[in-house]
Amino acid sequence: SQKIEQNSEALNIQEGKTATLTCNYTNYSPAYLQWYRQDPGRGPVFLLLIRENEKEKRKERLKVTFDTTLKQSLFHITASQPADSATYLCALLTGGGNKLTFGTGTQLKVEL
Amino acid sequence: DGGITQSPKYLFRKEGQNVTLSCEQNLNHDAMYWYRQDPGQGLRLIYYSQIVNDFQKGDIAEGYSVSREKKESFPLTVTSAQKNPTAFYLCASSSGNGPQETQYFGPGTRLLVL
Repeated sequence: SQKIEQNSEALNIQEGKTATLTCNYTNYSPAYLQWYRQDPGRGPVFLLLIRENEKEKRKERLKVTFDTTLKQSLFHITASQPADSATYLCALLTGGGNKLTFGTGTQLKVEL
Repeated sequence: DGGITQSPKYLFRKEGQNVTLSCEQNLNHDAMYWYRQDPGQGLRLIYYSQIVNDFQKGDIAEGYSVSREKKESFPLTVTSAQKNPTAFYLCASSSGNGPQETQYFGPGTRLLVL
């Protein structure tokens, strides 16, 4: 069956450290992968998109990698801040390219 | 301000009642989407529309209905056939060049059953 897996346990890190979140998928061959941030009680906000032929994408303190052989994407936040605390969702383009399928998300908590 | 608005923020449904969730966007986007989010689960696609007067079922369309009479509006009706409607409902839109494009989300409506 098709699955998108993100760590269900919250990730707690200290301010200033690099946070690394994982998105693994099975039985998909996505052409695109997106990362979103969601704060409690609010809608997700788009962060980054990476294509299957791109290994890495950066935006300010954010970096995303996409390994189609391992079927995995890693999402990094460098120099993390308490304001980065949120749930981060990965999403794959699926269904023949017609829709996004979301993972369950990983909650990140950045402590002082 | 450009964006997506959803109303109401909270909605209460009685047993056997149909309720309609509003979604409006002024981004001039062609495509619109409805998702449902349950605690500890990801977003699940209910319906989507890539153009006015056309829409497709998503993964969990049973018990829901939609219409797309205007480009800026995509209301979702939760019918009495939906036996477990309590959830957080999110509307989104994109430019319509394909779902690989960024999706912009509204603030959500939380539906509760009385």
